[in-house]
Amino acid sequence: GAVVSQHPSRVICKSGTSVKIECRSLDFQATTMFWYRQFPKQSLMLMATSNEGSKATYEQGVEKDKFLINHASLTLSTLTVTSAHPEDSSFYICSASGGQKETQYFGPGTRLLVL
Amino acid sequence: GENVEQHPSTLSVQEGDSAVIKCTYSDSASNYFPWYKQELGKRPQLIIDIRSNVGEKKDQRIAVTLNKTAKHFSLHITETQPEDSAVYFCAADGGGNMLTFGGGTRLMVKP
Repeated sequence: GAVVSQHPSRVICKSGTSVKIECRSLDFQATTMFWYRQFPKQSLMLMATSNEGSKATYEQGVEKDKFLINHASLTLSTLTVTSAHPEDSSFYICSASGGQKETQYFGPGTRLLVL
Repeated sequence: GENVEQHPSTLSVQEGDSAVIKCTYSDSASNYFPWYKQELGKRPQLIIDIRSNVGEKKDQRIAVTLNKTAKHFSLHITETQPEDSAVYFCAADGGGNMLTFGGGTRLMVKP
């Protein structure tokens, strides 16, 4: 149980375009989903927390107009990187929690490369 | 907010030896402490967690200890195997189900 999927697994895009990443909890209802960013050989940095049906809470320094998060249902959250630039290239990982509320289960991550 | 520090950043052990990774946290209100293992390019996988109402938890070769007074917790891996090689992250909950992660420890188990 507690499976989280993420799509796409990797994406290459041109500078200035937008990219949408989906995160799904497959076998449980995720009351809360989290979006992280991870640079090579570094730790997971929380970008935002989203609860189903409400606006996401962004961490300090994360531009909410650039990283749009939607959590429309208990099994799906999306992260849209708008007007992506090369410095946005990173590994983006979502996680979901629900039921045993503190435990977070991670998706497989999305590797974004902006040219 | 919560601040989690993790040591060492890299750890190399011989197969069969034990490995210990230590973390400290700052928020005395934290009461949930998971450990994740992340292999290269893969998702973090929860390997063990502990809540503040216990001081130690064990699962086969893996154990975690928690000292709430000192605000530190540790991961112990016994009889290490090459497949234990990975990056390990500790974390502490900062309220609202949020986790703050330590900087990670790259464990290398030499055959």
